[in-house]
Amino acid sequence: EAGVTQFPSHSVIEKGQTVTLRCDPISGHDNLYWYRRVMGKEIKFLLHFVKESKQDESGMPNNRFLAERTGGTYSTLKVQPAELEDSGVYFCASSPRLAGEVEQYFGPGTRLTVT
Amino acid sequence: LAKTTQPISMDSYEGQEVNITCSHNNIATNDYITWYQQFPSQGPRFIIQGYKTKVTNEVASLFIPADRKSSTLSLPRVSLSDTAVYYCLVGDYNNAGNMLTFGGGTRLMVKP
Repeated sequence: EAGVTQFPSHSVIEKGQTVTLRCDPISGHDNLYWYRRVMGKEIKFLLHFVKESKQDESGMPNNRFLAERTGGTYSTLKVQPAELEDSGVYFCASSPRLAGEVEQYFGPGTRLTVT
Repeated sequence: LAKTTQPISMDSYEGQEVNITCSHNNIATNDYITWYQQFPSQGPRFIIQGYKTKVTNEVASLFIPADRKSSTLSLPRVSLSDTAVYYCLVGDYNNAGNMLTFGGGTRLMVKP
Protein backbone atom coordinates (compact mmCIF):
# COMPACT_ATOMS: atom_id res chain seq x y z
CA GLU A 1 0.00 0.00 0.00
CA ALA A 2 1.36 3.40 -0.97
CA GLY A 3 2.02 5.83 1.83
CA VAL A 4 1.27 9.52 2.02
CA THR A 5 2.95 11.35 -0.82
CA GLN A 6 3.75 15.01 -1.15
CA PHE A 7 4.74 17.12 -4.11
CA PRO A 8 7.08 18.80 -4.68
CA SER A 9 9.76 17.57 -2.33
CA HIS A 10 11.45 20.94 -2.45
CA SER A 11 10.35 24.33 -3.71
CA VAL A 12 12.36 27.52 -3.92
CA ILE A 13 10.41 30.69 -4.68
CA GLU A 14 10.87 34.41 -4.29
CA LYS A 15 9.05 36.52 -1.79
CA GLY A 16 5.70 37.57 -3.19
CA GLN A 17 5.27 34.56 -5.44
CA THR A 18 2.68 31.84 -5.10
CA VAL A 19 3.34 28.21 -4.31
CA THR A 20 0.97 25.27 -4.19
CA LEU A 21 1.82 22.16 -2.25
CA ARG A 22 0.06 18.90 -2.87
CA CYS A 23 -0.66 15.97 -0.60
CA ASP A 24 -2.03 12.59 -1.58
CA PRO A 25 -3.19 10.69 1.50
CA ILE A 26 -3.37 6.96 1.87
CA SER A 27 -6.34 5.70 -0.12
CA GLY A 28 -9.47 5.47 2.00
CA HIS A 29 -8.24 7.80 4.73
CA ASP A 30 -10.93 10.36 5.48
CA ASN A 31 -8.75 12.46 7.75
CA LEU A 32 -6.04 14.66 6.31
CA TYR A 33 -3.81 17.02 8.27
CA TRP A 34 -1.31 19.69 7.42
CA TYR A 35 1.58 20.56 9.74
CA ARG A 36 4.68 22.64 9.29
CA ARG A 37 8.03 23.23 10.90
CA VAL A 38 9.49 26.65 10.31
CA MET A 39 13.18 27.23 10.84
CA GLY A 40 14.35 26.15 14.28
CA LYS A 41 10.85 25.73 15.63
CA GLU A 42 8.64 22.79 16.56
CA ILE A 43 6.25 20.99 14.24
CA LYS A 44 2.97 22.89 14.37
CA PHE A 45 -0.54 21.87 13.36
CA LEU A 46 -2.14 23.87 10.56
CA LEU A 47 -5.47 22.27 9.75
CA HIS A 48 -7.52 19.12 9.60
CA PHE A 49 -9.88 17.86 6.89
CA VAL A 50 -12.51 15.20 7.30
CA LYS A 51 -13.18 14.17 3.74
CA GLU A 52 -13.65 17.48 1.91
CA SER A 53 -14.69 19.51 4.97
CA LYS A 54 -12.38 21.59 7.13
CA GLN A 55 -12.77 20.21 10.65
CA ASP A 56 -10.24 22.47 12.32
CA GLU A 57 -8.20 25.26 10.75
CA SER A 58 -7.14 26.89 14.00
CA GLY A 59 -3.47 26.52 13.15
CA MET A 60 -3.54 28.41 9.87
CA PRO A 61 -1.24 31.41 10.42
CA ASN A 62 -3.05 33.96 8.25
CA ASN A 63 -5.17 34.44 5.16
CA ARG A 64 -2.20 34.00 2.85
CA PHE A 65 -2.65 30.28 3.35
CA LEU A 66 -5.48 28.44 1.62
CA ALA A 67 -6.08 24.72 1.88
CA GLU A 68 -8.50 22.72 -0.22
CA ARG A 69 -9.52 19.11 -0.52
CA THR A 70 -11.97 18.91 -3.35
CA GLY A 71 -13.64 15.52 -3.64
CA GLY A 72 -12.16 14.39 -0.38
CA THR A 73 -9.07 12.86 -1.95
CA TYR A 74 -5.87 14.84 -2.40
CA SER A 75 -5.33 18.21 -0.78
CA THR A 76 -3.52 21.37 -1.80
CA LEU A 77 -2.04 24.09 0.36
CA LYS A 78 -1.50 27.38 -1.41
CA VAL A 79 0.64 30.18 -0.06
CA GLN A 80 -0.07 33.50 -1.74
CA PRO A 81 1.90 35.70 -1.54
CA ALA A 82 4.77 33.88 0.09
CA GLU A 83 6.84 35.64 2.75
CA LEU A 84 10.31 34.86 4.06
CA GLU A 85 8.93 33.50 7.34
CA ASP A 86 6.96 30.86 5.45
CA SER A 87 10.18 28.94 4.80
CA GLY A 88 10.19 25.53 6.41
CA VAL A 89 9.01 21.97 5.95
CA TYR A 90 5.32 21.31 5.34
CA PHE A 91 4.08 17.88 6.35
CA CYS A 92 0.87 16.18 5.41
CA ALA A 93 -0.58 13.28 7.37
CA SER A 94 -3.64 11.08 7.07
CA SER A 95 -5.56 8.67 9.25
CA PRO A 96 -8.50 6.39 8.57
CA ARG A 97 -10.89 7.24 11.41
CA LEU A 98 -11.70 10.22 13.60
CA ALA A 99 -12.38 9.16 17.18
CA GLY A 100 -9.64 7.23 18.89
CA GLU A 101 -7.43 6.84 15.85
CA VAL A 102 -4.25 8.40 17.09
CA GLU A 103 -1.82 7.02 14.58
CA GLN A 104 -1.28 9.47 11.77
CA TYR A 105 0.71 8.50 8.72
CA PHE A 106 3.01 11.28 7.62
CA GLY A 107 4.38 12.09 4.23
CA PRO A 108 8.03 13.01 3.69
CA GLY A 109 7.28 16.72 3.67
CA THR A 110 7.80 19.56 1.23
CA ARG A 111 10.72 21.84 1.99
CA LEU A 112 9.75 25.39 1.07
CA THR A 113 12.40 28.04 0.74
CA VAL A 114 11.31 31.64 0.22
CA THR A 115 14.11 33.98 -0.84
CA LEU B 1 -3.17 20.26 25.82
CA ALA B 2 -0.62 19.08 28.33
CA LYS B 3 2.90 20.36 27.86
CA THR B 4 5.68 17.83 27.69
CA THR B 5 9.33 18.03 28.70
CA GLN B 6 11.96 15.63 27.44
CA PRO B 7 15.76 15.68 27.19
CA ILE B 8 17.08 17.53 24.18
CA SER B 9 19.53 14.78 23.28
CA MET B 10 20.85 11.38 24.32
CA ASP B 11 23.76 9.21 23.24
CA SER B 12 23.90 5.42 23.28
CA TYR B 13 25.82 2.53 21.79
CA GLU B 14 24.64 -0.29 19.59
CA GLY B 15 23.07 -3.15 21.49
CA GLN B 16 22.19 -1.11 24.54
CA GLU B 17 18.74 -0.46 25.90
CA VAL B 18 17.68 3.17 25.68
CA ASN B 19 15.13 4.78 27.95
CA ILE B 20 13.76 8.23 27.13
CA THR B 21 11.66 9.84 29.83
CA CYS B 22 9.03 12.49 29.20
CA SER B 23 7.44 14.66 31.88
CA HIS B 24 3.82 15.74 31.56
CA ASN B 25 2.79 17.05 34.96
CA ASN B 26 -0.46 18.57 33.72
CA ILE B 27 -1.78 15.49 31.97
CA ALA B 28 -5.58 15.34 32.01
CA THR B 29 -7.77 12.37 32.78
CA ASN B 30 -8.69 11.76 29.14
CA ASP B 31 -5.20 12.26 27.73
CA TYR B 32 -3.24 9.51 26.07
CA ILE B 33 0.54 9.39 25.70
CA THR B 34 1.96 8.79 22.25
CA TRP B 35 5.50 8.58 20.90
CA TYR B 36 6.62 9.33 17.37
CA GLN B 37 10.00 8.83 15.71
CA GLN B 38 11.41 11.04 12.98
CA PHE B 39 14.38 10.43 10.72
CA PRO B 40 16.03 13.24 8.77
CA SER B 41 14.10 14.24 5.64
CA GLN B 42 11.13 12.13 6.63
CA GLY B 43 7.83 12.74 8.38
CA PRO B 44 7.21 11.54 11.93
CA ARG B 45 6.33 7.87 12.37
CA PHE B 46 4.07 6.46 15.10
CA ILE B 47 5.86 4.18 17.56
CA ILE B 48 3.58 3.46 20.48
CA GLN B 49 0.67 4.78 22.52
CA GLY B 50 -0.54 4.14 26.06
CA TYR B 51 -2.82 5.36 28.80
CA LYS B 52 -1.43 3.71 31.94
CA THR B 53 0.88 0.92 33.18
CA LYS B 54 2.87 -0.76 30.43
CA VAL B 55 2.40 -1.17 26.72
CA THR B 56 4.67 -3.23 24.50
CA ASN B 57 4.80 -3.73 20.77
CA GLU B 58 7.33 -5.12 18.34
CA VAL B 59 9.59 -2.08 18.45
CA ALA B 60 9.29 -0.51 21.91
CA SER B 61 7.80 -0.51 25.37
CA LEU B 62 6.07 2.35 27.11
CA PHE B 63 6.09 2.58 30.88
CA ILE B 64 3.59 4.86 32.60
CA PRO B 65 3.54 5.20 36.40
CA ALA B 66 0.31 5.34 38.36
CA ASP B 67 0.24 9.14 38.59
CA ARG B 68 0.78 9.40 34.80
CA LYS B 69 2.88 12.53 35.22
CA SER B 70 5.69 10.99 33.25
CA SER B 71 6.30 8.19 30.81
CA THR B 72 9.35 6.30 29.58
CA LEU B 73 9.91 5.01 26.08
CA SER B 74 12.17 1.97 26.13
CA LEU B 75 14.02 0.85 23.01
CA PRO B 76 15.64 -2.57 23.46
CA ARG B 77 19.03 -3.24 21.89
CA VAL B 78 19.27 -0.15 19.72
CA SER B 79 21.06 -0.15 16.40
CA LEU B 80 22.60 2.63 14.34
CA SER B 81 19.32 2.91 12.43
CA ASP B 82 17.53 4.00 15.60
CA THR B 83 19.34 7.32 15.44
CA ALA B 84 16.45 9.76 15.15
CA VAL B 85 14.39 12.35 16.97
CA TYR B 86 11.77 10.94 19.35
CA TYR B 87 8.69 12.97 20.26
CA CYS B 88 6.46 12.51 23.28
CA LEU B 89 2.92 13.76 22.73
CA VAL B 90 0.06 14.02 25.19
CA GLY B 91 -3.51 14.79 24.29
CA ASP B 92 -7.17 13.87 24.31
CA TYR B 93 -7.28 13.07 20.65
CA ASN B 94 -10.95 12.21 20.69
CA ASN B 95 -11.92 15.76 21.59
CA ALA B 96 -9.10 17.63 19.95
CA GLY B 97 -9.79 16.48 16.44
CA ASN B 98 -6.75 14.26 16.58
CA MET B 99 -4.50 17.27 16.25
CA LEU B 100 -0.99 16.37 17.32
CA THR B 101 1.05 18.80 19.39
CA PHE B 102 4.77 18.25 19.02
CA GLY B 103 7.38 19.46 21.45
CA GLY B 104 11.09 19.74 20.93
CA GLY B 105 11.77 16.02 20.89
CA THR B 106 14.81 14.05 22.00
CA ARG B 107 17.60 13.59 19.51
CA LEU B 108 19.00 10.08 20.02
CA MET B 109 22.43 9.31 18.63
CA VAL B 110 23.41 5.65 18.52
CA LYS B 111 27.13 5.07 18.15
CA PRO B 112 28.94 1.95 16.97
